[in-house]
Amino acid sequence: KQEVTQIPAALSVPEGENLVLNCSFTDSAIYNLQWFRQDPGKGLTSLLLIQSSQREQTSGRLNASLDKSSGRSTLYIAASQPGDSATYLCAVGSNTGKLIFGQGTTLQVKP
Amino acid sequence: DTAVSQTPKYLVTQMGNDKSIKCEQNLGHDTMYWYKQDSKKFLKIMFSYNNKELIINETVPNRFSPKSPDKAHLNLHINSLELGDSAVYFCASNPLGAGGKETQYFGPGTRLLVL
Repeated sequence: KQEVTQIPAALSVPEGENLVLNCSFTDSAIYNLQWFRQDPGKGLTSLLLIQSSQREQTSGRLNASLDKSSGRSTLYIAASQPGDSATYLCAVGSNTGKLIFGQGTTLQVKP
Repeated sequence: DTAVSQTPKYLVTQMGNDKSIKCEQNLGHDTMYWYKQDSKKFLKIMFSYNNKELIINETVPNRFSPKSPDKAHLNLHINSLELGDSAVYFCASNPLGAGGKETQYFGPGTRLLVL
């Protein structure tokens, strides 16, 4: 049974810092791995999707890596800004479309 | 241009009532999902439909019944509501079969409170 864990549960950093969010999963037979952002009281917004054959994806200041053999993914945020404050969710996808989510990392970037 | 929309946004009701939540997507996707996010913010899949056919049915009480009249709509009907059903329910969609390249697009959520 696939389980997804995210560490840390919460993180507070000053503006401008580079930071890493961690995600681990127990079954390496994944279809893809996705990172989402959720703002308070809002839905989820997709940030990055890494297919199982890929090692990383980049979008602007965000870079996500995937290491299936070790069951890990990281989301790197460069030069953090207060607008990056949100909950970041990692999800492992199967070929049926089912997503199994971690419990999220709540990020606060202080001005 | 709302991609995935849900109605209502908020729903407050009494225990034992029956309620429905509607979801519509205008993205032309063939697969739609329902997720539940509990009070601890943990998000878990409930159902998915592909072209009106049920393909994922997690261990959800049979008081919950999804209905897909067409591939652009997936509604969730809940009978005999219980306190534990209080949560945020999210609808999502994507074009399944895109080789794992397509993410899921989420609606804004329906906040259900059972009193």
